[in-house]
Amino acid sequence: EDQVTQSPEALRLQEGESSSLNCSYTVSGLRGLFWYRQDPGKGPEFLFTLYSAGEEKEKERLKATLTKKESFLHITAPKPEDSATYLCAVHLLSSRLTFGEGTQLTVNP
Amino acid sequence: GAVVSQHPSWVICKSGTSVKIECRSLDFQATTMFWYRQFPKQSLMLMATSNEGSKATYEQGVEKDKFLINHASLTLSTLTVTSAHPEDSSFYICSARERTSGTDTQYFGPGTRLTVL
Repeated sequence: EDQVTQSPEALRLQEGESSSLNCSYTVSGLRGLFWYRQDPGKGPEFLFTLYSAGEEKEKERLKATLTKKESFLHITAPKPEDSATYLCAVHLLSSRLTFGEGTQLTVNP
Repeated sequence: GAVVSQHPSWVICKSGTSVKIECRSLDFQATTMFWYRQFPKQSLMLMATSNEGSKATYEQGVEKDKFLINHASLTLSTLTVTSAHPEDSSFYICSARERTSGTDTQYFGPGTRLTVL
């Protein structure tokens, strides 16, 4: 059975305190892995797609990396506006996405 | 980036009525769109896959006669919640699949909050 697990469930950081979010997966037929950001009451906002192990992508304070078993979302010197729930999703051969439960990030000023 | 819109953003209806939600891809064509449901503090749950010009594929446990999906064009899919009841109250989110050479990405709409009284 395809599984996606995100950790930690919740993370509190001080502004400027860098950290990483984890997404581990056990799936058959991975086409890619997505990271999304979701603010309360809104739809997920696309951040990154990673297609192969070793791939890295960056956007402002965020960097996503991928191995054969997991992906990390590194947040460097976060700001309060980075507070949100970060969702990881694996893109399967069937074209559907399977989501993790998300990591709720709070960045305190 | 690609933009997906949903309408309405929120709706309140009486029990027993039907509600239609629209999902549009604004700047790209989407042969495939997806409908999700999200409960508070939970992740997204896929309800169905909508393919332009063909019948939708529903996930196990989702009643196709209750949640009618129509994907009439390459930029529009609709979800109709028929004979809505309070337990149908939820946050409904659509996504549209954009495929280009080298990329295959799903972009999400802003969601529709449905409250059934």
